Amino acid sequence: QQPVQSPQAVILREGEDAVINCSSSKALYSVHWYRQKHGEAPVFLMILLKGGEQKGHEKISASFNEKKQQSSLYLTASQLSYSGTYFCGTETDSGAGSYQLTFGKGTKLSVIP
Amino acid sequence: NAGVTQTPKFRILKIGQSMTLQCAQDMNHNYMYWYRQDPGMGLKLIYYSVGAGITDKGEVPNGYNVSRSTTEDFPLRLELAAPSQTSVYFCASSYGQGATEAFFGQGTRLTVV
Repeated sequence: QQPVQSPQAVILREGEDAVINCSSSKALYSVHWYRQKHGEAPVFLMILLKGGEQKGHEKISASFNEKKQQSSLYLTASQLSYSGTYFCGTETDSGAGSYQLTFGKGTKLSVIP
Repeated sequence: NAGVTQTPKFRILKIGQSMTLQCAQDMNHNYMYWYRQDPGMGLKLIYYSVGAGITDKGEVPNGYNVSRSTTEDFPLRLELAAPSQTSVYFCASSYGQGATEAFFGQGTRLTVV
């Protein structure tokens, strides 16, 4: 079952901030965030483990609320290079001792000058 | 350092034809995945494997088959291609279960006519 992302799309001016949300109805082992540029493969941004940790590098950070099965990606002082589609991926126990990695529908972020 | 290699990059199939999408990784990863990406629908998990000889269905397995005879290779077989299988297919791999980054191949764009 796909995690649910919101918003579907957002347009920012350079320097503005954005938040992308991801939620799941299933118990999550971890949450992944990836960015995909048009015509390219998704590229890894970060992983968050259950436990409510927050991670980040430079101006992109994320949090994971294990109780609510929700994660949020924070982009601050956006740059043109941030444009792309952001996907959250969630790892859930398949019940057979292995974990599935399933992705949301994505959030298209456009940063304009 | 090749990472995840997919072949072919593009393919046009006629309805009813069969083909195999190849995926190979040289990182000694245990987990491998196949996703399809349709516009606005995100990445949907077709099949995944947690090691040689072990495969499991994802969200949308119908019309596809996989095998994993070696750690390196994870081919995806389409039998009796249908227009609904027109999509971009991504193969990915990760070291192990739980909170490890997934590396993606560059994708195969398949059109069924």
